[in-house]
Amino acid sequence: EDQVTQSPEALRLQEGESSSLNCSYTVSGLRGLFWYRQDPGKGPEFLFTLYSAGEEKEKERLKATLTKKESFLHITAPKPEDSATYLCAVQFSARQLTFGSGTQLTVLP
Amino acid sequence: EPEVTQTPSHQVTQMGQEVILRCVPISNHLYFYWYRQILGQKVEFLVSFYNNEISEKSEIFDDQFSVERPDGSNFTLKIRSTKLEDSAMYFCASSDLTGRGVLFFGSGTQLSVL
Repeated sequence: EDQVTQSPEALRLQEGESSSLNCSYTVSGLRGLFWYRQDPGKGPEFLFTLYSAGEEKEKERLKATLTKKESFLHITAPKPEDSATYLCAVQFSARQLTFGSGTQLTVLP
Repeated sequence: EPEVTQTPSHQVTQMGQEVILRCVPISNHLYFYWYRQILGQKVEFLVSFYNNEISEKSEIFDDQFSVERPDGSNFTLKIRSTKLEDSAMYFCASSDLTGRGVLFFGSGTQLSVL
C-alpha cells in the first residue's frame, strides 16, 4: 500500500532557528510530491510541487528538495508567521493526492 | 487572485438528513475534487470529477455520496443520509490541465452531524 509519513509530528523553533521537515513515501509510481501549508480552520495552501529526484524549489524562507524516497522542507530563519501545519502530499494515480499527517510548526518570537 | 469558494462555512445537521455542500471552483479549471479531514486526522481523498463524470473515487465515497456540476460554475457534494461519522471538514479543490495536478483548495465546510 502506498504510504506517506511525515516527521516530526510537531516542531517548536525560536525565531531565526533553521530546521527541516521530512516526508518519506513508499510508492509504486510517483507522479509528483506536493507541499502545502494549512492554517487552523483553513484549507491547504499550495507551496511547492516536485516531480523528479534532485529537484529543488524555493520560496522566501522555504526550500523543498526531493530524493527517490523522501522530501525535505527546509525553513531558514523562520518567523512567527511561518507557524502552521505543513502537509506533504504524494500523487500516485492520475489526479488523487495522498496526504501525510502533517508537521505542526510553531515559531516562537 | 482567483480562489475556490465554499459555502456554507459551517453546517449542522441531524443524523439521517441530507446535506449539500457547495463549491465554486476557479473559473478556468477543469478538474474538481472533494477531500475531507476528520478532526485531528489526515486530509482524505473522496472523489475527482472531470468532463461531467467521476474520474476517481475512494472507498469512503459510497452510495450515500454524490457529486454534481449543476451549471457552469458550481460543484456540489451531496450526502444523502448523514451519519455521525460524516462529521468532518470538507474541502473542495480544483486544478487545470496544464498545472500537472496542482490542486487549489477552498477554505472548507465544517459539517457537524448530531
